[in-house]
Amino acid sequence: RKEVEQDPGPFNVPEGATVAFNCTYSNSASQSFFWYRQDCRKEPKLLMSVYSSGNEDGRFTAQLNRASQYISLLIRDSKLSDSATYLCVVQSDRKTSYDKVIFGPGTSLSVIP
Amino acid sequence: DAGVIQSPRHEVTEMGQEVTLRCKPISGHNSLFWYRQTMMRGLELLIYFNNNVPIDDSGMPEDRFSAKMPNASFSTLKIQPSEPRDSAVYFCASSRDYTYEQYFGPGTRLTVT
Repeated sequence: RKEVEQDPGPFNVPEGATVAFNCTYSNSASQSFFWYRQDCRKEPKLLMSVYSSGNEDGRFTAQLNRASQYISLLIRDSKLSDSATYLCVVQSDRKTSYDKVIFGPGTSLSVIP
Repeated sequence: DAGVIQSPRHEVTEMGQEVTLRCKPISGHNSLFWYRQTMMRGLELLIYFNNNVPIDDSGMPEDRFSAKMPNASFSTLKIQPSEPRDSAVYFCASSRDYTYEQYFGPGTRLTVT
């Protein structure tokens, strides 16, 4: 089993739709979680961190479910500019001196007019 | 405020040639990462430096790959000899200690013919 897994998609949704992505991780000791966004032929950029209590940033909501070992990203009122690949990132146990960062394979989103 | 700088942006070389990729991290960041991204394998961590010291090089594919960080503002990734299967986008990223957000450079698109 891969350490971080995502549904590759593609997700094709109309403008204004709500779309949700899930990401599962295998290391139960993982402590930090993030969502990155990568536009076509560009570098990944941090979209948001994921906190235990869940967090929201405008149209974006991130949730963490430790019991089931998954994180989610919800995008409301999707815009054409949301079209990108969304990468789930998991960081391992902070008790070690090296917090290994693992990127998921990404989920592709296309928002269509 | 300059971000992570990578050079060259594009490199086309013939099989067997030596390739050197360069990275200048953001000033003040003490963690530096080299990644490789392909359609088939996604984003793979090759090597991670902390305070110029290699911490984890388990992702380096084989002896043909080597990376150095002679000082806090410069790192190189060298492939010698290069092979067609090395064709990929190579990203360098840096982060401040304990904050974990990684800032990626624009990448070097390497094509080995």
